[in-house]
Parts: sequence; C-alpha cells; structure tokens
Amino acid sequence: KNEVEQSPQNLTAQEGEFITINCSYSVGISALHWLQQHPGGGIVSLFMLSSGKKKHGRLIATINIQEKHSSLHITASHPRDSAVYICAVNETSGSRLTFGEGTQLTVNP
Amino acid sequence: NAGVTQTPKFQVLKTGQSMTLQCAQDMNHNSMYWYRQDPGMGLRLIYYSASEGTTDKGEVPNGYNVSRLNKREFSLRLESAAPSQTSVYFCASETGVVTGELFFGEGSRLTVL
Repeated sequence: KNEVEQSPQNLTAQEGEFITINCSYSVGISALHWLQQHPGGGIVSLFMLSSGKKKHGRLIATINIQEKHSSLHITASHPRDSAVYICAVNETSGSRLTFGEGTQLTVNP
Repeated sequence: NAGVTQTPKFQVLKTGQSMTLQCAQDMNHNSMYWYRQDPGMGLRLIYYSASEGTTDKGEVPNGYNVSRLNKREFSLRLESAAPSQTSVYFCASETGVVTGELFFGEGSRLTVL
C-alpha cells in the first residue's frame, strides 16, 4: 500500500468547473506539498502546508492533520490548468519526501 | 536566480556505459534530492543529501552513486547503465533548516539502449 494515495487518478472537466483532488497519507508528517507538472515540463511547487488552508489565486489547498487528508481545489477551471498534480509529504521520521502517483487533470474548453 | 539547474537534459547511453547527471542550486539550500519518474509511478527517491558532506540512500539507490561536492552541487552517477535505468531524472532542493518549498530542476531524460 502506497503511503500517499491520490484520487482520482484521472479527471476530465469542462472549463469553469470546480475541481477537487484528494490526497490521503498513512504516516506522520511535518508538511505536505502540492506540485504541478505540465506535459513534458518541469515540476512546480504550488503549496506547502502543515495545517489549515492556503489560497493562491484560483487554487486552494486544505489539510486535516487528524484525518491525514489534504485536498487541492481549483475554482473556475481553465484549459491551462491541465497538468499532473502531485501530492508529497515530508515524513516526521526523516527528511525524505514520499510522493503520490499524481492526478492527471484535463480541462476541456 | 537560476534556481535548480540540471544537465544534461537528454542523454542516450548504451548498456554498460557510465555517465554523471549534474545538479546545482543557487539558493543556499541545505537539502538536495535525486528522483526518478517512470510512467504510472510516482516520483521515487534515489538518494538525498540533508547537508553538505552527507548523503543517504532513498527508495531505489541500486545502480547509482552520488556526490555532494559542496553546498551548491549534487551529482548522480550511473557507473554501468542498464535499460531499467531509462527514466526521467529530477533534482530538487529545499532549505532544509525547516521544511520549506521544494524547487525542482527541469528534468533529464535518459535512455539506455
């Protein structure tokens, strides 16, 4: 069982829709990261969370430490949001990161 | 600021050849990482370095060696490349003093024939 699980694996939406991507983890963590990877491109950090909620533009990330769960929301989705979204956690047992397998998001015009 | 710079971006090797992937960061970060990314799998940690002069094995270290030459540079070496090492390799860094934002290089696509 992967220590970091994302759902869904694939998501197709129409432009303008509200999107939610989920991340569940089974280990103790010091922080959780949401990353974005465009096709053939590099990986960009969107958020780093240790508690609560963060917002940047149309992106919102929340984390519930007790439930070991985080969500990434995209409001008013746009085709340029099409990318792979990756959840990663810093385990409290060390400085290593553990990654989810990613969620492939496609937003159609 | 260049951030994290990886070279080369593309490389084709024959089985048994050796090569080194270079990574440098200009953000004075303590922690640096090498990952590989394969289709259908998440990023997997090969090696990491929590600080200058220290390195530790990650999830998939076999067939690789690393050197943390100084605070800026963290190289990954394949001594005898195998087809199973065909992958996209990413270097990353973070401040490491407290858990911080991750910065990734653009990736290096390696094909071993």
